[in-house]
Amino acid sequence: NAGVTQTPKFQVLKTGQSMTLQCAQDMNHEYMSWYRQDPGMGLRLIHYSVGAGITDQGEVPNGYNVSRSTTEDFPLRLLSAAPSQTSVYFCASSYRGWETQYFGPGTRLLVL
Amino acid sequence: SQQGEEDPQALSIQEGENATMNCSYKTSINNLQWYRQNSGRGLVHLILIRSNEREKHSGRLRVTLDTSKKSSSLLITASRAADTASYFCATDARNTGNQFYFGTGTSLTVIP
Repeated sequence: NAGVTQTPKFQVLKTGQSMTLQCAQDMNHEYMSWYRQDPGMGLRLIHYSVGAGITDQGEVPNGYNVSRSTTEDFPLRLLSAAPSQTSVYFCASSYRGWETQYFGPGTRLLVL
Repeated sequence: SQQGEEDPQALSIQEGENATMNCSYKTSINNLQWYRQNSGRGLVHLILIRSNEREKHSGRLRVTLDTSKKSSSLLITASRAADTASYFCATDARNTGNQFYFGTGTSLTVIP
């Protein structure tokens, strides 16, 4: 099993550009979630999904969209990138509920 | 605002010594988890303790939970250089919607 994979590993954007961060898991997990981690801070929940077709907002959802059309994939879309979205983004999945979460390696995003 | 805070923010010990990290949180929880993050990597789940449990062990890890004080501690015994990492507590908050919160983290350095 590959676990949780994320692409790209690193991305530079200009203010106003849009992009999609990809996340996939091959463990048949129900829950998938996106976090951002800023320097010296813990992770903050952006959006999460409890199953295909069901998504909800986390603590810091503004500026981001998600969808979950399949169990495996949970892309995160930045609609119009802003410098404040410079961060490291982590995707995670768990079999059921907020139990043990498996994390991807992260995507470093720099918005100029 | 983040649910949890860890104390201390940074800890430096000699190999073989024990390391203790503390976590305080704000609202009632269903469970509390501890994660480890090596520099530049994704998080790895260490241990989960449920709100009706007071202590849990896993190898060299010992976690305690005091729901009356809304606090938890993580003890790593006989530390090794490979334990050098950041450690985060995370809570499945009850009564605040379906949310998951990470603490601010403790940076542990184990000196060989």
